[in-house]
Amino acid sequence: ETGVTQTPRHLVMGMTNKKSLKCEQHLGHNAMYWYKQSAKKPLELMFVYSLEERVENNSVPSRFSPECPNSSHLFLHLHTLQPEDSALYLCASSPHGDGVGYTFGSGTRLTVV
Amino acid sequence: KQEVTQIPAALSVPEGENLVLNCSFTDSAIYNLQWFRQDPGKGLTSLLLIQSSQREQTSGRLNASLDKSSGRSTLYIAASQPGDSATYLCAVRKSSGDKLTFGTGTRLAVRP
Repeated sequence: ETGVTQTPRHLVMGMTNKKSLKCEQHLGHNAMYWYKQSAKKPLELMFVYSLEERVENNSVPSRFSPECPNSSHLFLHLHTLQPEDSALYLCASSPHGDGVGYTFGSGTRLTVV
Repeated sequence: KQEVTQIPAALSVPEGENLVLNCSFTDSAIYNLQWFRQDPGKGLTSLLLIQSSQREQTSGRLNASLDKSSGRSTLYIAASQPGDSATYLCAVRKSSGDKLTFGTGTRLAVRP
């Protein structure tokens, strides 16, 4: 384990379901990130939180809703997803919001059916 | 808009061979460049970070070089081992605090 834990590891959901991805770190980092990794595409940054405040939202559709209740936990709430949203969702943290010193989790493999 | 390209997309070599992975970026005004390793179904592990003022960084059997003016970086792996099999990702940052822009990676297989 890297210090960043993501659950669940795998998730299959229908297009009408509502589910949440969870990320947890106890590294004392102040910034947390959600990335999307689709097949044959570069990693895409979705959201950045620094000191529990959202500092970046890269034009992500509203069917993805992040939540950062404290500096150790980050959630990604999912609803009414599309099959093209199937991907590996990676969480990362860093000591500060400058993105230096990333630690990544192992990801949640999401399949939308 | 910065674009990062990695060639080849996949590479298979016999154990013991020295190899080079390539990364190119379209905007040479970068703050730093980073190489990551990703094992199947796993997250990313940082391998080497090169600041824009540096020409290379070394860690064990890995050596990364940076030619900012030509928009290129290479990752050299000496005496490859089956345990080196993974996807190698290159990423650049435009300025301190800016997001990383990733390439699509090179999938490496080292045959015993």
